[in-house]
Amino acid sequence: DVVMTQSPLSLPVTLGQPASISCRSSQSLVHSDGNTYFNWFQQRPGQSPRRLIYQVSNRDSGVPDRFSGSGSGTDFTLKISRVEPEDVGVYYCMQGTHWPYTFGQGTKLEIK
Amino acid sequence: EVQVVESGGGLVQPGGSLRLSCAASGFTFSNYWMHWVRQAPGKGLVWVSRINSAGTIITYADSVKGRFTISRDNAKNTLFLQMNNLRAEDTAVYYCVRGIGGYWGQGTLVTVSS
Repeated sequence: DVVMTQSPLSLPVTLGQPASISCRSSQSLVHSDGNTYFNWFQQRPGQSPRRLIYQVSNRDSGVPDRFSGSGSGTDFTLKISRVEPEDVGVYYCMQGTHWPYTFGQGTKLEIK
Repeated sequence: EVQVVESGGGLVQPGGSLRLSCAASGFTFSNYWMHWVRQAPGKGLVWVSRINSAGTIITYADSVKGRFTISRDNAKNTLFLQMNNLRAEDTAVYYCVRGIGGYWGQGTLVTVSS
């Protein structure tokens, strides 16, 4: 199985400050069709996960533009330009290129 | 509005069975791969199973292979997960998911305990 390794696992951030989460996969996530099926999810306390970013850098509908994704191959990053109170929760990276699809361990973002 | 709504969770004894359902609305169900993802209490997310739009391609995580069966009824816009020989480690919230994470339901809790 593809192992997804996130860092950091805990992320205390001051409101209005930027935040960044890294995710590394144990093998390339470039699919044979040329696409890279790498996503970022947010799970707020008590809620279902919500996809923020698909195929590395595409924001889902309704996702604020302070969220951005980048990367390629095996190394990926989620950036939040200015953290807001509603950003508190756990962030997961996930690969959908190789079955079984796998998630990272999760990064817990909290406000300092 | 796209909606997927899970049902069928509950408390079951080890070795028992449950059938989860996921009612889909607001989109053309028969056009989409559908998936089940689970989350044990306080833990991370695990992809359990997937099924293509026609129901002809099905895959499972090794942890559930031979015990769980995914299926769909495109005429009724419904996804199913038949879970047999349940174990304590199957205790989790089970989410119905459209595509590779595009839309998630609210989840249904399955508790396996004596």
